[in-house]
Amino acid sequence: AQTVTQSQPEMSVQEAETVTLSCTYDTSESDYYLFWYKQPPSRQMILVIRQEAYKQQNATENRFSVNFQKAAKSFSLKISDSQLGDAAMYFCALAENAGKSTFGDGTTLTVKP
Amino acid sequence: EAGVAQSPRYKIIEKRQSVAFWCNPISGHATLYWYQQILGQGPKLLIQFQNNGVVDDSQLPKDRFSAERLKGVDSTLKIQPAKLEDSAVYLCASSLSPAGGGTDTQYFGPGTRLTVL
Repeated sequence: AQTVTQSQPEMSVQEAETVTLSCTYDTSESDYYLFWYKQPPSRQMILVIRQEAYKQQNATENRFSVNFQKAAKSFSLKISDSQLGDAAMYFCALAENAGKSTFGDGTTLTVKP
Repeated sequence: EAGVAQSPRYKIIEKRQSVAFWCNPISGHATLYWYQQILGQGPKLLIQFQNNGVVDDSQLPKDRFSAERLKGVDSTLKIQPAKLEDSAVYLCASSLSPAGGGTDTQYFGPGTRLTVL
């Protein structure tokens, strides 16, 4: 069975600073995908960034980047130059090729002005 | 492009009553998901459709929950009878790919917040 663990229920960061959210996972598959989704308060969940397990290069999307450590089964999200609009709950998710998706329990990020 | 639509947005019912949720995915998306998100937890997959066939329903409490996706487009999720522990947000999502759909980016609807009294 696949599992996703987010060990930080809450994190805070000062505006314009950098913050890293942690995620570890477990799967018996060698081919899978990892995602970070953002869920702002009372708003829809949207994709932040995705990583294919077969790619060694870490994914980046503007101010968002990941540190993917396949052997350690670790997938952290780094947010640079944090903005007030980054405040949200962030979910790490794992999807195997067979299709089933598993989400972590989320990290609530607070951005302080 | 229109997003994933869900209705109703909010529902309050008494325990043992029945309730139904509706989802309209993004046009052309083959895969549709229903998740249950209990307060303070991450979404838990209830059922995944690929077109109008079920890919995974291993976590769907089949004694009280049912779901269908007619003509591979809209979907309904029903709970009958509801229990107190069913209070949650029910999220619908869709993704484009008809194969290995879980690995595609999922697009989420706004969710239906269910309160069972």
